[in-house]
Amino acid sequence: DIQMTQSPSPLSASVGDRVTITCRASQNIRDYLNWYQQKPGKAPNLLIFGASSLQSGVPSRFSGSGSGTDFALTISSLQPEDFATYYCQQSYSTPYTFGPGTQVD
Amino acid sequence: EVLLVESGGGFVRPGGSLRLTCAASGISVSSNHMNWVRQAPGKGLEWVSVIYTGETKYYADSVKGRFTISRDNSKNTLYLQMNSLRDDDTAIYYCARDPSMLLSAFDIWGQGTMVTVSS
Repeated sequence: DIQMTQSPSPLSASVGDRVTITCRASQNIRDYLNWYQQKPGKAPNLLIFGASSLQSGVPSRFSGSGSGTDFALTISSLQPEDFATYYCQQSYSTPYTFGPGTQVD
Repeated sequence: EVLLVESGGGFVRPGGSLRLTCAASGISVSSNHMNWVRQAPGKGLEWVSVIYTGETKYYADSVKGRFTISRDNSKNTLYLQMNSLRDDDTAIYYCARDPSMLLSAFDIWGQGTMVTVSS
């Protein structure tokens, strides 16, 4: 199985900050890397698919980068509604493993 | 409106069974890869199972042999039959769509249904 790790966790930030969360896969997953945002009591919401493609309706302050084993999610200017937990997920092969999550607070 | 609505969760004793249902509207479960993902209280996300459009199914090792994913195209509904339930199956269970055009990302999620396994 492919293992996913994330850092940092948690992440302390303020409104207006540029925030970067990193994700590492235990083996090459090409660009089969997705990012989700989850707020308390809610289902996850897809932000980025294919490592760097912005899902429809997601604000452009979110961006993704990376390929192979190392990936990053960047929020260019943190907004109040962005305080949440962020998960990376590999969809290269089953089981489609998620990272442990990064809480932005 | 595109909606996935889970139901069937509840309280069950260890060793018991439950069947979860995910009713779809605005999308066809037969035309999409459909997944179950769970989240234990206060924990992260864990992928559970997928059924592809071609009927191929895969499971996480933690549920293999105990859980069965299926769908009823006529009812546009996805199911998860859960047998031999254990305490560590306690979680919110979400169904999620993989439209197969987003490199297998999950773009639509239900609101989740809670399963509690306890003696």
